[in-house]
Amino acid sequence: AQTVTQSQPEMSVQEAETVTLSCTYDTSESNYYLFWYKQPPSRQMILVIRQEAYKQQNATENRFSVNFQKAAKSFSLKISDSQLGDTAMYFCAFMKLWGDNDMRFGAGTRLTVKP
Amino acid sequence: SAVISQKPSRDICQRGTSLTIQCQVDSQVTMMFWYRQQPGQSLTLIATANQGSEATYESGFVIDKFPISRPNLTFSTLTVSNMSPEDSSIYLCSVIGGTGAPIEAFFGQGTRLTVV
Repeated sequence: AQTVTQSQPEMSVQEAETVTLSCTYDTSESNYYLFWYKQPPSRQMILVIRQEAYKQQNATENRFSVNFQKAAKSFSLKISDSQLGDTAMYFCAFMKLWGDNDMRFGAGTRLTVKP
Repeated sequence: SAVISQKPSRDICQRGTSLTIQCQVDSQVTMMFWYRQQPGQSLTLIATANQGSEATYESGFVIDKFPISRPNLTFSTLTVSNMSPEDSSIYLCSVIGGTGAPIEAFFGQGTRLTVV
């Protein structure tokens, strides 16, 4: 079974600064996807960034980037130039490449961006 | 991409009653997923709903409590039966879109259920 661990229940950052959210996972699979999802107070789950495990290059999406360490089973999210709109719950998620495509989520990190 | 319409968005129900949540997708999908999110917590998978077969439930969730229907490739319902205050949660449906890359999970806007 796959497990996803987020060890930071809450974090805060000043506007325009950089913050890194941590995520580790456990799996015996060799091919899989990793995701970071954002859930603002509206409850809507929004994809922030995805990483295919077979790709060595770290994914980037504008101000968001990941540090994917496959051997260490680590998948951290870096948010640069933090904005007030980044305030939300952030969930790290795992999905197998083959077979059951359900997502397994970490416990989440509540990020607050302070003005 | 996939757009999911989930109804109702919220409801307040009496204990002992049942509520059926509907999830409509704008494209055909093989699997639909139902999650529960208790206040301030993560998403926990309840079951996977495949069209034409019975839903597959995760440990701790049973069909008598959470019956699921999946009549076609764009629609599913989750019923929360014989509700108690412990069932107060947000319930979300989800589908996986993007066969091949890029793959992504899409979510409904959730149903906030309060049992009194």
